Amino acid sequence: EPEVTQTPSHQVTQMGQEVILRCVPISNHLYFYWYRQILGQKVEFLVSFYNNEISEKSEIFDDQFSVERPDGSNFTLKIRSTKLEDSAMYFCASLPPGREADTQYFGPGTRLTVL
Amino acid sequence: AQSVTQLGSHVSVSEGALVLLRCNYSSSVPPYLFWYVQYPNQGLQLLLKYTSAATLVKGINGFEAEFKKSETSFHLTKPSAHMSDAAEYFCAVSVVTASKLTFGTGTRLQVTL
Repeated sequence: EPEVTQTPSHQVTQMGQEVILRCVPISNHLYFYWYRQILGQKVEFLVSFYNNEISEKSEIFDDQFSVERPDGSNFTLKIRSTKLEDSAMYFCASLPPGREADTQYFGPGTRLTVL
Repeated sequence: AQSVTQLGSHVSVSEGALVLLRCNYSSSVPPYLFWYVQYPNQGLQLLLKYTSAATLVKGINGFEAEFKKSETSFHLTKPSAHMSDAAEYFCAVSVVTASKLTFGTGTRLQVTL
């Protein structure tokens, strides 16, 4: 069964550094999402992406964040200058077209640790 | 704006006992409702969903949930808990197809012998 994949599984970085988190959504899916989960807290929406542009974003998704679909398969989240409070698990999700266009499929997550 | 409230951050049941995890939602329009499960160090897996069809929804691993509009609830149940059910369970709501999911704070289910 097709799955959403994410790399790396764990990323450690120094405060102020740029990080890129990578996701490969399921191949025929059309909508893509990033969420994050700070340790011990709930999952929070960051951004959604459709037809090569952002369709919705939260107040968390400020100018330090950007998303890109550089080719036909990858979907990336870039944090330009990481802060300590960016430490979290980041989940990518994708949504299929058609009759199942109400169920987001999640990847296993990337744990980002900012030191 | 939509929101979800999950009552009880921790629930402990004995193996074989009924599991009841509570979820109440707030939405100005008819919602789509979801239950996801997160096993330790893993991602989010869909258990079941309500998308305006039958109000009693059956999911994987023997779980089911009932949408009650009058109570704005979507509680998750399983008749008989198994040790493998120990995980974190998240209720989530969206209001438009393809829009963001808004999650509750989660309920950690512990299953004891």
